[in-house]
Amino acid sequence: EVQLVESGGDLVQPGGSLRLSCAASGFTFSIYGMNWVRQAPGRGLEWVSYISSSGTTINYADSVKGRFTISRDNAKNSLSLQMNSLRAEDTAIYYCATDKLDLAARAFDYWGQGTLVTVSS
Amino acid sequence: DIQMTQSPSSLSASVGDRVTITCRASQSITRYLNWYQQKPGKAPKFLIYATSNLQSGVPSRFSGSGSGTDFTLTISSLQPEDSAIYYCQQGYSTPRTFGQGTKVEIK
Repeated sequence: EVQLVESGGDLVQPGGSLRLSCAASGFTFSIYGMNWVRQAPGRGLEWVSYISSSGTTINYADSVKGRFTISRDNAKNSLSLQMNSLRAEDTAIYYCATDKLDLAARAFDYWGQGTLVTVSS
Repeated sequence: DIQMTQSPSSLSASVGDRVTITCRASQSITRYLNWYQQKPGKAPKFLIYATSNLQSGVPSRFSGSGSGTDFTLTISSLQPEDSAIYYCQQGYSTPRTFGQGTKVEIK
């Protein structure tokens, strides 16, 4: 069974930093591209970042470019998101999600339960 | 960025009704259109990919169609457990963008 478990969410002050983690199990993590998708309270879904299976291709939403860094450790089946210079508008539930292997899809097929990041003074 | 617009924003229908949700892209996305279902307090669930392909385990009452800029998600016979918010998402280009969501309620 595919499992994605996020952790690291917390209350942090504006300008602060936080590191999110996603522990993967139940599938061959090293062959999947991975994503972070967030959802502000009461709002819709926003894609944040993507990293390819090998880590060689990385993309970011403009809203987080230069502040967030995605990384992965295939030996440990883990995905991370380093978040710096946090702003109030970064407050959201952060989900890690797998990239469906079917290239005709470019979709997010498995999701974790999410971890809440709150940026407030 | 490609803008995705869903309509309606919300709807209320009875059990057994046929329900249709529309998703429009700001430019052609060919068939790179996916659908998700989200229930309160839960992560989104992947329903349909590449416009019309059901993800494994998704009930056959769900179907998708369209191409280019206009797409639909249809629930052929609405069930109580289908009460949720539905999101479309384009996979044609980065950033992958979502529609604003359509809330489906049961009368």
